[in-house]
Amino acid sequence: QSVLTQPPSASGTPGQRVTISCSGSSSNIGSNTVNWYQQVPGTAPKLLIYSNDQRPSGVPDRFSGSRSDTSASLAISGLQSEDEADYYCAAWDDSLYGRLFGGGTKVTVL
Amino acid sequence: EVQLVESGGGLVKPGGSLRLSCVASGFTFSSHGMNWVRQAPGKGLEWVASISGNSNYIYHRDSVRGRFTISRDNAKNSLSLQMNNLRAEDTALYFCVRTIGDFERLGVDYWGQGSLVTVSS
Repeated sequence: QSVLTQPPSASGTPGQRVTISCSGSSSNIGSNTVNWYQQVPGTAPKLLIYSNDQRPSGVPDRFSGSRSDTSASLAISGLQSEDEADYYCAAWDDSLYGRLFGGGTKVTVL
Repeated sequence: EVQLVESGGGLVKPGGSLRLSCVASGFTFSSHGMNWVRQAPGKGLEWVASISGNSNYIYHRDSVRGRFTISRDNAKNSLSLQMNNLRAEDTALYFCVRTIGDFERLGVDYWGQGSLVTVSS
């Protein structure tokens, strides 16, 4: 069971906005930056957001991240069919001395 | 272009050993921490181990500590994971993953394509 909690699924129609939450604690999200990854089935994960709200070059600005206290969220605006994938949040945990990943959220475009 | 290429996976019996390797290119290897992250079939991502650029800081998850050992050779731009006393629950696709800079708390950025480890009798 992941210490970072994400909803197992989320969905929306093309053009809609979808938000994915990631809940942690003071030893992980509360004290370290959060990254988000996108994984299309059968491929390796790809970095989507780093340092809570920064996008690597090449990532569309439809993707945005935020962090507040011990929670973080990823928003996808203007949802597109190619956004169908699994999304994972991640953060270092100072108590476990290890990297944590959320359980993943499967986004479906209806 | 950053490239991470894993090798060494395969089928092994419970209690057996396997050594995974990862060759890196396209960046200054010694300036980045490195990691192994695994994904069991149909499951989510699970961090396995991390090592700093100069190997001074090494971390393993509890369930593999004492059985797995992460190491690196900066002269060869390579990362390794020695896996001993393998269990069925270690069955997974193992990814070689780069740390952002050499500070674990910043997270990871580039991922290899993975090497499949299957533990079964």
